[in-house]
Amino acid sequence: QSALTQPPSASGSPGQSVTISCTGTSSDVGGYNYVSWYQRHPGKAPKLMIYEVSKRPSGVPDRFFGSKSGNTASLTVSGLQAEDEADYYCCSYAGSNNYVFGTGTKVTVL
Amino acid sequence: EVQLVESGGGLVQPGGSLKLSCAASGFSFSDSPMHWVRQASGKGLEWVGRIRSRSNFYATVYAASLKGRFTISRDDSKNTAYLQMNSLKIEDTAMYYCTRAYCSGTSCYLAFDHWGLGTLVTVSS
Repeated sequence: QSALTQPPSASGSPGQSVTISCTGTSSDVGGYNYVSWYQRHPGKAPKLMIYEVSKRPSGVPDRFFGSKSGNTASLTVSGLQAEDEADYYCCSYAGSNNYVFGTGTKVTVL
Repeated sequence: EVQLVESGGGLVQPGGSLKLSCAASGFSFSDSPMHWVRQASGKGLEWVGRIRSRSNFYATVYAASLKGRFTISRDDSKNTAYLQMNSLKIEDTAMYYCTRAYCSGTSCYLAFDHWGLGTLVTVSS
C-alpha cells in the first residue's frame, strides 16, 4: 500500500485560506468515504481534525473543512491563524481493515 | 482526561525483538479498538495494526508490509496494549505511537482521536 500523496508544504497569510490535497487511488481515497485529517504541532500528539471526509469532531473550529472528489481529498483551513501552523496528515481506509496515511504537509502562516 | 503513554522503545540489533507498551487512562479501555502507528524520521505516518475489544474477540489486523513479524495484544485488566516486534530490521527504526479509534456515543469511526507521544525504536548494529 503506497502512501497518499500530499504537497510537502503550503502557506498563507493570517486570515487567508489554504487548501491541502491528498491524492490516493480508487482502492483507498476514491473507494471509501473514510478520509480523516490530523494536525500535529512539533512535539505534540496528532489531533483529529476531520473524519469521514468532512465531519468535524466536537471542539474543532468550523474553519477546517474537508472534502473529496474522486481519488483526491482536500482539507481547507480558512481564516488562517498563527496556531494553525503545523504538520497535517491525511489518512484513508484502504479496505481489508487497513489504513494508509499521507506523506504530510507543513503549513506555514506567513 | 484521555491519556495514552507508550514505553519500551530503545536500541535493538537487527534480527532482535522488542515489546512496546501503551498504558491507557481516562476512558473505557476495554471497549476501545486500539491501533499502533509509526513514523520514521523524515517520513510520513504509517499504520501498523489494530486490536479490537473483547466483544469483537480481540481481533487483530496488520499492515501487509510487516509480513507477520509484529503482534498486537492487550491486557484489559491493566488498561494496556502491547506491540511485540520480532525479526526487527533497520527500516523498522521509527517513533511508535498508540492511538485510539474515535468513538462517539455508541459509534466508532475509522479515525483516531487520541494519540500518545510515542516511543522511539532504533534498530542498528
